[in-house]
Amino acid sequence: DQQVKQNSPSLSVQEGRISILNCDYTNSMFDYFLWYKKYPAEGPTFLISISSIKDKNEDGRFTVFLNKSAKHLSLHIVPSQPGDSAVYFCAASALDTSGTYKYIFGTGTRLKVLA
Amino acid sequence: GAVVSQHPSRVICKSGTSVKIECRSLDFQATTMFWYRQFPKKSLMLMATSNEGSKATYEQGVEKDKFLINHASLTLSTLTVTSAHPEDSSFYICSAPELAMHIQYFGPGTRLLVL
Repeated sequence: DQQVKQNSPSLSVQEGRISILNCDYTNSMFDYFLWYKKYPAEGPTFLISISSIKDKNEDGRFTVFLNKSAKHLSLHIVPSQPGDSAVYFCAASALDTSGTYKYIFGTGTRLKVLA
Repeated sequence: GAVVSQHPSRVICKSGTSVKIECRSLDFQATTMFWYRQFPKKSLMLMATSNEGSKATYEQGVEKDKFLINHASLTLSTLTVTSAHPEDSSFYICSAPELAMHIQYFGPGTRLLVL
């Protein structure tokens, strides 16, 4: 049972345009949602997060939108740059019984920004 | 963001041998660290939570006798793959959250190939 889904395995966008990456989840108990960027053979790099009590968070070129009623979040990158080409993972976190935030990751979307 | 290192970055071993992977938080203390495994073109799957001063907690389906975890200090966790077999070949990544933060910082990963 995939609690966090990224239905688009890949996305190609022209440089300078907006990239929109989507993520759906099923568990309404998640506290935070996060986006990570990952290059091959490297660990994920944190990009941006959003609390479940908010609907938007912005950091430079990156904005995350959360629609709790639809259990959907999206990452907008504008303007897109060739250096943004990577795999983007959506993660949802919830506190477990020991007080630790645990993540569930989506399957990732490979973004390719064309020069 | 915080820095997490992993060593080695890649290892090739013979079937039946044991391999130890180290994960260090370089500029912060981590009472909790996480170990993930990523199969090719798949998501990151949480294997276990490493707890400083106490036993690790394993996710369902992960053999604790196969994947030994030791969290010897507030900056070091080790994962030992015991009696490795070819099906253990994978990309192993650790992460650590800053204290009371919901953000996890990931190490660069370790590529394990068991022949």
